[in-house]
Amino acid sequence: KQEVTQIPAALSVPEGENLVLNCSFTDSAIYNLQWFRQDPGKGLTSLLLIQSSQREQTSGRLNASLDKSSGRSTLYIAASQPGDSATYLCAVKNGANSKLTFGKGITLSVRP
Amino acid sequence: KAGVTQTPRYLIKTRGQQVTLSCSPISGHRSVSWYQQTPGQGLQFLFEYFSETQRNKGNFPGRFSGRQFSNSRSEMNVSTLELGDSALYLCASSLSPGNTIYFGEGSWLTVV
Repeated sequence: KQEVTQIPAALSVPEGENLVLNCSFTDSAIYNLQWFRQDPGKGLTSLLLIQSSQREQTSGRLNASLDKSSGRSTLYIAASQPGDSATYLCAVKNGANSKLTFGKGITLSVRP
Repeated sequence: KAGVTQTPRYLIKTRGQQVTLSCSPISGHRSVSWYQQTPGQGLQFLFEYFSETQRNKGNFPGRFSGRQFSNSRSEMNVSTLELGDSALYLCASSLSPGNTIYFGEGSWLTVV
């Protein structure tokens, strides 16, 4: 059974800092991994999708990496801004037709 | 183009009643999945539909059911509501299973 862990549960950083959010999963035979952002009271916004054959994906100030052998993914946020404050969730799919398994998320607060 | 649309956004029901939630996927998307989000359990998978067929089902009691129509719109139904069913119900769509999924804003259900 796939389990996804995100530690710490909460993180507070000053504006401008570069930061890394971690995601670990127990079953390395994944199909893809997706990072999402959730603002309070809102749905999830897809940030980056990494297929199992890829090592990383980039979008603007965001870079996500995937290391299947160690069961880890990281989301790198460059030059953080207060607008980046949100909960970041990673989710893993073990097969094209399987469900997404989510971590509990990391609540990020970027202080002005 | 329009995103995933969920209705109603907020509703309050009494224990024992039933509720139907609706989801309109992004135009062209044929895969629809449903998730329940609570503070304690996080995001839990309910079911996934593709081309009107249920492809996957999560570990929820039979009171939770769903369906998908020929136009890819989906509904989920919860019968005999319990207090523990109070949650944010999120719908997501993708072109097909395995592609990037996009979430709606969710339906907030409160059971009193």
